[in-house]
Amino acid sequence: DAKTTQPPSMDCAEGRAANLPCNHSTISGNEYVYWYRQIHSQGPQYIIHGLKNNETNEMASLIITEDRKSSTLILPHATLRDTAVYYCIVKTNTGTASKLTFGTGTRLQVTL
Amino acid sequence: DSGVTQTPKHLITATGQRVTLRCSPRSGDLSVYWYQQSLDQGLQFLIQYYNGEERAKGNILERFSAQQFPDLHSELNLSSLELGDSALYFCASSPRGETQYFGPGTRLLVL
Repeated sequence: DAKTTQPPSMDCAEGRAANLPCNHSTISGNEYVYWYRQIHSQGPQYIIHGLKNNETNEMASLIITEDRKSSTLILPHATLRDTAVYYCIVKTNTGTASKLTFGTGTRLQVTL
Repeated sequence: DSGVTQTPKHLITATGQRVTLRCSPRSGDLSVYWYQQSLDQGLQFLIQYYNGEERAKGNILERFSAQQFPDLHSELNLSSLELGDSALYFCASSPRGETQYFGPGTRLLVL
């Protein structure tokens, strides 16, 4: 699975949009971009994933560049509860053998 | 709530002992994954089972073993425990190999 690069930390004011970048320049054509977050030692929480097109769900939006070498997770209106470590992971979805390779992620601090 | 359950939530034991962690996947999910999160190593994949068979293996120690039962629940067995095995152990499940949903974890403390 391709390696990802994320900034170690970011701050965001409550109510503002949080834009979390991720570089995955060696991503393969069949690899998806996944985002998870972990709130203080809780189990990682799935947020969103995508292959080529931009995706949106009730939690966030995922913007993937046309060359697929980078992506941005957008939390449109960050709240204090969004303070967490955010992980960008790329992996295939083919077959039944699968694993998630977690990096160090981005620690997002949402402040008043 | 992801639908994945893990027991126990906390476990305190001594070095040299053996423990068993249990995971029940989401209804209908055939794949179960185990991950370890320690302070110095981050989240690391240990092993995956799919419909009762081992499907992928990560950096799992020989002292650790896992299995998935016919009802699809899984157990992770940790033996000859060392201080360094103290960590959070997470289980995740997915229908096959797609999006994984994580349980709340078991916090293991080896004294």
